[in-house]
Amino acid sequence: QKEVEQNSGPLSVPEGAIASLNCTYSDRGSQSFFWYRQYSGKSPELIMFIYSNGDKEDGRFTAQLNKASQYVSLLIRDSQPSDSATYLCAVRLGGNTPLVFGKGTRLSVIA
Amino acid sequence: EADIYQTPRYLVIGTGKKITLECSQTMGHDKMYWYQQDPGMELHLIHYSYGVNSTEKGDLSSESTVSRIRTEHFPLTLESARPSHTSQYLCASKTGLADTQYFGPGTRLTVL
Repeated sequence: QKEVEQNSGPLSVPEGAIASLNCTYSDRGSQSFFWYRQYSGKSPELIMFIYSNGDKEDGRFTAQLNKASQYVSLLIRDSQPSDSATYLCAVRLGGNTPLVFGKGTRLSVIA
Repeated sequence: EADIYQTPRYLVIGTGKKITLECSQTMGHDKMYWYQQDPGMELHLIHYSYGVNSTEKGDLSSESTVSRIRTEHFPLTLESARPSHTSQYLCASKTGLADTQYFGPGTRLTVL
């Protein structure tokens, strides 16, 4: 079983809608959780990270973490065509361990 | 904005050649990473380093080597390039004091 699972998509949403991206992880000891955005041909860029159960909001983005269910999600409100990209979920077990990345979900926002 | 640099950005080379991909960061980060990513596919960790004179193998390390002689520099070497090495190589770094990991712009390698 892969350590970090994401639906590869594509996930298509109309402009202005809420896009919901989901991620599950297998290691219950994981401590920190990250969402990266990657445009085609570019390198990943960090959107936000979350450590504690609950929601964390940053502008149009909200990360949600449920450690009991081993589930992380990213909500993008008022989706724009410029949000069309692949979104990578990453998990760190703790301390200095490297990030473990999911395969990514491709999001397409239709104008 | 992250100050992490990779050279060359694009490289086309013949089979059997030895190549070194350069990665430098000016942020004083102690931890550095190399990833390989085929188009539309997932990131694979190749090597990483916790600091000077520290190197660790990742998932795809068997055909490459790294060194960390200076904090800011983490080169990746392929001793004998093969067509299967054709991919994008991404370097990343972070400080031990924070969790934010920054990526460089990548090197797109083509081995003929």
